[in-house]
Amino acid sequence: KAGVTQTPRYLIKTRGQQVTLSCSPISGHRSVSWYQQTPGQGLQFLFEYFSETQRNKGNFPGRFSGRQFSNSRSEMNVSTLELGDSALYLCASSKGPPPYNEQFFGPGTRLTVL
Amino acid sequence: GQQVMQIPQYQHVQEGEDFTTYCNSSTTLSNIQWYKQRPGGHPVFLIQLVKSGEVKKQKRLTFQFGEAKKNSSLHITATQTTDVGTYFCAGRRVGGSQGNLIFGKGTKLSVKP
Repeated sequence: KAGVTQTPRYLIKTRGQQVTLSCSPISGHRSVSWYQQTPGQGLQFLFEYFSETQRNKGNFPGRFSGRQFSNSRSEMNVSTLELGDSALYLCASSKGPPPYNEQFFGPGTRLTVL
Repeated sequence: GQQVMQIPQYQHVQEGEDFTTYCNSSTTLSNIQWYKQRPGGHPVFLIQLVKSGEVKKQKRLTFQFGEAKKNSSLHITATQTTDVGTYFCAGRRVGGSQGNLIFGKGTKLSVKP
């Protein structure tokens, strides 16, 4: 069974630009969560989707948005990029809705904002 | 807001020594999960604990969930170099919309052969 895939793996952008990251969950998984990982703040929760509905949202500004499609694939968008948005963005999928499911993480997208 | 504190931040051990990382929440958790992230890798699920006072073992790893469901620990017996990595706990609060999964900042384990 293929794991969680994320594209692109690496991305370099400049301040003010916007970016879209993509995540394909494990086949049959309907829940997708997004996290931002930085050395200073660790793993911080961004959003959680289940069956195309956002179920939970972390404490991030409105520049961060996401969505989930009917095939469970998910995208997240960051507009008006700031230097502080440089991070590893991880997507994780699980079979069902929270709270009782293990999450399978993808390899992440390394975003660098210059 | 809800916080999950994890200590220690770093732990350096000699191969064969034991290792423990502790996780404490400011609020009662519905469950707690543990993940391991190898250097350059992504977090990999280790285990989930749901019941108060639950203890689970995986070979040399022992996981505990406190009676009040506010704290948890991971203990590794006789560490090996393959145990190197960062260990994260992650918990969800009880009630409401279940809330999001809050990760501790992790304990980075290094093992000297």
